[in-house]
Amino acid sequence: GQQVMQIPQYQHVQEGEDFTTYCNSSTTLSNIQWYKQRPGGHPVFLIQLVKSGEVKKQKRLTFQFGEAKKNSSLHITATQTTDVGTYFCAGEPTGANSKLTFGKGITLSVRP
Amino acid sequence: NAGVMQNPRHLVRRRGQEARLRCSPMKGHSHVYWYRQLPEEGLKFMVYLQKENIIDESGMPKERFSAEFPKEGPSILRIQQVVRGDSAAYFCASSPAAYEQYFGPGTRLTVT
Repeated sequence: GQQVMQIPQYQHVQEGEDFTTYCNSSTTLSNIQWYKQRPGGHPVFLIQLVKSGEVKKQKRLTFQFGEAKKNSSLHITATQTTDVGTYFCAGEPTGANSKLTFGKGITLSVRP
Repeated sequence: NAGVMQNPRHLVRRRGQEARLRCSPMKGHSHVYWYRQLPEEGLKFMVYLQKENIIDESGMPKERFSAEFPKEGPSILRIQQVVRGDSAAYFCASSPAAYEQYFGPGTRLTVT
């Protein structure tokens, strides 16, 4: 079956540093979505990417969808303590009938 | 517009009892998804429903688990004869169509 991989599972950065994480799918995706979950909370939708090579920005967060539509990246500029949480990517395979496959997520901790 | 609601937020059951988890989607959303999350794990898809129909239940165990989304009322995830391995957080998400998913606060199930 389809797999969505996020490696590593944990990353620690110093406040102010940049942070980049990647998401790789075993199959071509019709779209990819990113979610953030704070400790003890629930996943919150951040962004959806649909087009090959698409880049979207949300303040200090930059999301990119790969040309082959099998991978994606999330880049955070000048991390802040409010960026702490687990970031999940979720891919919808082509023709998958709206079913998302989530990666295991990357848990980001930020040292003040 | 109220968000996705789930109740109860915490549920304790003894082995062999039944657990009923409820999810009220956001107003106007006809797509409901159920996920299971274990500590430090990603979200595992269980079932996808539209009003009165199960669209995809490929992630749900064949035995003891069932889900419904009736014409009136919330979606229900039912686990019969619970075992310790069923202890997890169960999240419901809703969507207006094949777009981003809005998650509820989750139900933390503990089986003793």
